[in-house]
Amino acid sequence: EPEVTQTPSHQVTQMGQEVILRCVPISNHLYFYWYRQILGQKVEFLVSFYNNEISEKSEIFDDQFSVERPDGSNFTLKIRSTKLEDSAMYFCASSDMGGTGNTIYFGEGSWLTVV
Amino acid sequence: GQQVMQIPQYQHVQEGEDFTTYCNSSTTLSNIQWYKQRPGGHPVFLIQLVKSGEVKKQKRLTFQFGEAKKNSSLHITATQTTDVGTYFCAAKGAQKLVFGQGTRLTINP
Repeated sequence: EPEVTQTPSHQVTQMGQEVILRCVPISNHLYFYWYRQILGQKVEFLVSFYNNEISEKSEIFDDQFSVERPDGSNFTLKIRSTKLEDSAMYFCASSDMGGTGNTIYFGEGSWLTVV
Repeated sequence: GQQVMQIPQYQHVQEGEDFTTYCNSSTTLSNIQWYKQRPGGHPVFLIQLVKSGEVKKQKRLTFQFGEAKKNSSLHITATQTTDVGTYFCAAKGAQKLVFGQGTRLTINP
């Protein structure tokens, strides 16, 4: 079964450093997302991306965050200057269509620890 | 913004007992999705409910969508140790999922 893959699975970084989390969405999917989950809490929406632009973003997704689809397969999340509170599991997800009726498939996540 | 409330936060049962988690919204939902997240894992899609009063079953799991489309439930009959995990409901908008807080299910074998 096709799956969303993410790298790295775990990254430890110092506060203030830049981090790039990488994702390869399912190949025929057109909609891409990033979610995050702070330990023990619910999954929170960060951003959705379609047709090479952000279609929606949450309050969490401030100027420190950016997303990019640098080529035909990768989808990246960059955090410019990490803060302690950015420590979380970051999930990439994709779907073949937008709208309310479609299944979103999640990757296994990248665990970010900021020290 | 849209919020989805889920209860209980935790549930511990003996293997073989039933389990139910409830999801509520103050606004009418166009649909509700359910996900399971194993410990250390990622959310895995279980099902989507769209119609008012809809009931769907997957083996021992029964999913319901309320008549007013403001609440939903997931019921597991005769739990097994493989059911351990956190169950999330999520309201699907055009561009995003809004997750409930989740119910963490632990099972005593």
